[in-house]
Amino acid sequence: QSVLTQPPSASGTPEQRVTISCSGSGSNIGSNHVYWYQQLPRTAPKLLIYRNDQRPSGVPDRFSGSKSGTSASLAISGLRSEDEGDYYCASWDGSLSGPVFGGGTKLTVL
Amino acid sequence: VQLVESGGGLVKPGGSLRLSCAASGFTLSDYYMIWIRQAPGKGLEWVSYISGSGHTKNYADSVRGRFTISRDNAKNSLYLQMDSLKVEDTAAYFCARSDRTAYPKPIYYYGMDVWGQGTTVTVSS
Repeated sequence: QSVLTQPPSASGTPEQRVTISCSGSGSNIGSNHVYWYQQLPRTAPKLLIYRNDQRPSGVPDRFSGSKSGTSASLAISGLRSEDEGDYYCASWDGSLSGPVFGGGTKLTVL
Repeated sequence: VQLVESGGGLVKPGGSLRLSCAASGFTLSDYYMIWIRQAPGKGLEWVSYISGSGHTKNYADSVRGRFTISRDNAKNSLYLQMDSLKVEDTAAYFCARSDRTAYPKPIYYYGMDVWGQGTTVTVSS
């Protein structure tokens, strides 16, 4: 069981907008920033969103993040087939003194 | 900026393995470094982190007492010594660059922003 809770799957059709939720607690999301990672098939994870809602250079503005209280969400607009993969949220946990991850959400583009 | 892991392989339960992570394109000593693993078909799990100087380290409960993280900044390398390996340690192991040591904790601003391609460890008899 992962410390952060994500839905196991999400789906959408091309050009649609999808959101992926991430729920935590006061010791992680409630008091630290949230990060989102994209893992395409057979590749390493890639940083998608840092500090809740910031995009690294090179990440399209179709990807956006938000945080409220002990929850966060990732939104992907203008869905494309190349977005298919696994998406993970992460945060720092002050009680564990280490990073924590969500269990991952498998995104399918129908 | 690049990270390249090596050292994975097949090992019997109770055996040992040493993973390496070669860094290039940045000053290794300026950053916290983290090992993360991913069991087959499963999600990401933090294993261990180390500060830029090597003085601060921490481990996940699942590996504490069996794994040892270290670094050689002069050689631009990060290591993970894995002893008393168990079947449940079977996973792809990734090294990742995290935030600068000047920040108050390993994940504070940019987080884990650069990842290696991973090296596979299989523990089986």
